[in-house]
Amino acid sequence: EIVLTQSPATLSLSPGERATLSCRASQSVSSYLVWYQQKPGQAPRLLMYDASNRATGIPARFSGSGSGTDFTLTISSLEPEDFAVYHCQQRRYWPLTFGGGTKVEIK
Amino acid sequence: QVQLVESGGGVVQPGGSLRLSCAASGFTFNTYAMHWVRQAPGKGLDWVAAIWFDGNNKYYAGSVQGRFTISRDNSKNTLYLQMHSLRAEDTAVYYCASGFCSDVSCYAEVQGSWGQGTLVTVSS
Repeated sequence: EIVLTQSPATLSLSPGERATLSCRASQSVSSYLVWYQQKPGQAPRLLMYDASNRATGIPARFSGSGSGTDFTLTISSLEPEDFAVYHCQQRRYWPLTFGGGTKVEIK
Repeated sequence: QVQLVESGGGVVQPGGSLRLSCAASGFTFNTYAMHWVRQAPGKGLDWVAAIWFDGNNKYYAGSVQGRFTISRDNSKNTLYLQMHSLRAEDTAVYYCASGFCSDVSCYAEVQGSWGQGTLVTVSS
């Protein structure tokens, strides 16, 4: 199965700063990479699909890039509501797999 | 709006069985793939199983293959997860999620909407 490695595990930043999150796959998943956001005590929420497509209602400060094995989620300027855990998932192969998550916390 | 409500969680002994349900509303259930995803306390997300809109295709994580069965009743807008031979490592919040449709296409493998989850605890 495909192993996804997210880095860093924790990112400590201030509101207004730029966040750059990485997700690396153990083999190529083409562009079939999905990002979810999860806040404490809540269910995950779809953020981006197929590496660079924002889901409905997701603000433009969120952007995604990458293909093959290396992917990046960028939040251009952190808002207070963006502090959360971000999970990547590959949808290229069954079984679907998630990365371990990156927590974006307030510095 | 889309609503997914899980039920059936609880405490079960190792080796026991449990059936989870997910009642769906607010969308055309019988046109969407559905998923179960779990999250152990303090851990990341772990995809469990998926079923196609018509029930004809099913996929499982290796860790649950042969022990868990995903099914659906489109006449009742309900998704199920039958779990047997439960282990301590199956302890988690279990989320039901639907596939995703953008304005132009649908993506069965993407979890577009999620329920709030139901907690399963496997313990003696």
